[in-house]
Amino acid sequence: AQKITQTQPGMFVQEKEAVTLDCTYDTSDQSYGLFWYKQPSSGEMIFLIYQGSYDEQNATEGRYSLNFQKARKSANLVISASQLGDSAMYFCAMRDRSGGSYIPTFGRGTSLIVHP
Amino acid sequence: GAVVSQHPSWVICKSGTSVKIECRSLDFQATTMFWYRQFPKQSLMLMATSNEGSKATYEQGVEKDKFLINHASLTLSTLTVTSAHPEDSSFYICSARDGAGSRYGYTFGSGTRLTVV
Repeated sequence: AQKITQTQPGMFVQEKEAVTLDCTYDTSDQSYGLFWYKQPSSGEMIFLIYQGSYDEQNATEGRYSLNFQKARKSANLVISASQLGDSAMYFCAMRDRSGGSYIPTFGRGTSLIVHP
Repeated sequence: GAVVSQHPSWVICKSGTSVKIECRSLDFQATTMFWYRQFPKQSLMLMATSNEGSKATYEQGVEKDKFLINHASLTLSTLTVTSAHPEDSSFYICSARDGAGSRYGYTFGSGTRLTVV
């Protein structure tokens, strides 16, 4: 079974508007971490935001916020005031204790296109 | 912040030759490094986990004799694609976890685009 599910292969948003990228996860661990990364066409993976399973508040980093709903096992990324430079692939990832060590698992990604 | 330098950023090689990709942690000690492979418009597929001074742990289906991983020091891990073939053409990217086990944990290199002709 997939540990990380990103159901939106592609998303379009108009510049300056907000967009939500969906991510659901599956784990039986109580302690885990959730990440979002941005991958522009150059290929580098850029860390955006982190949410720990015990964090009581939703994580925020500038224009990025993570809508963490633990009971639903969802960790959606919200980008406010989209910019043209936000066009990229976005990957949700989870770190849990898989096979005795903490290894991050990535979703299939969502391609975001911001148009003027 | 933590920086991982990956070289080369792109390489073209002939079929049958070997290619070495290096990943260096510049300002922290990377006790664990992960090597990923990514096909166009797909997710990152974990190939192996390497720990400094020990043998790498390969994921199921990854040929350890073809993809040689060495993590001889706390700042350097290498992936060697041996006897490369066109089907090995892909984007390879490493990530490192610093020894302190920081909250964020994973820093990525900039990736290597390998083309085997």
